[in-house]
Amino acid sequence: DVKVTQSSRYLVKRTGEKVFLECVQDMDHENMFWYRQDPGLGLRLIYFSYDVKMKEKGDIPEGYSVSREKKERFSLILESASTNQTSMYLCASSLFPSGVFNEQFFGPGTRLTVL
Amino acid sequence: GDSVTQMEGPVTLSEEAFLTINCTYTATGYPSLFWYVQYPGEGLQLLLKATKADDKGSNKGFEATYRKETTSFHLEKGSVQVSDSAVYFCALSDHAYNQGGKLIFGQGTELSVKP
Repeated sequence: DVKVTQSSRYLVKRTGEKVFLECVQDMDHENMFWYRQDPGLGLRLIYFSYDVKMKEKGDIPEGYSVSREKKERFSLILESASTNQTSMYLCASSLFPSGVFNEQFFGPGTRLTVL
Repeated sequence: GDSVTQMEGPVTLSEEAFLTINCTYTATGYPSLFWYVQYPGEGLQLLLKATKADDKGSNKGFEATYRKETTSFHLEKGSVQVSDSAVYFCALSDHAYNQGGKLIFGQGTELSVKP
């Protein structure tokens, strides 16, 4: 079974703190993704990566950065957390090139609260 | 750009009722289409998929048919159970090489099934 794990299920941070969210997948997938999920907005792509040290901006990259030093690990960084970054963060991975399927496998999510 | 629109929730049904969740899409090419499900407190799981027009995806009693002429991928189940209570996301996949297999999600539809 594909497994995508995220470092924390729940996280509480203060405004201005630097926050690291870690994601690890064990299926040797090339693609990795970070989304945030907010009620009524569905999932919005923050960043994705299709190879080690490669990254591409998604739809809402402002206030975030990412790091992919190893194939299995993709980190999301909030340089200076703000209250509007309170959200559920979901990591996903998929094969690339993935043909027509592009199925993504998701981690359980990290619910981040910024006070 | 490509987009996905789902019917708004929440949807509340009694056990054994018929379920339809509408999903329509806009896309410039020929995307693959997906339904993902998110059970309370969990990440997203792939429920079913279809890769070309007239394909029918099915899983766990759920079905959806890829209708190119109406650009739709409606989710149906003949008899829902309490355990089907979850949030359902319709998504499409961009196949372009440099898009890295990105998924575009609808806003999600919450389903609540009462005994």
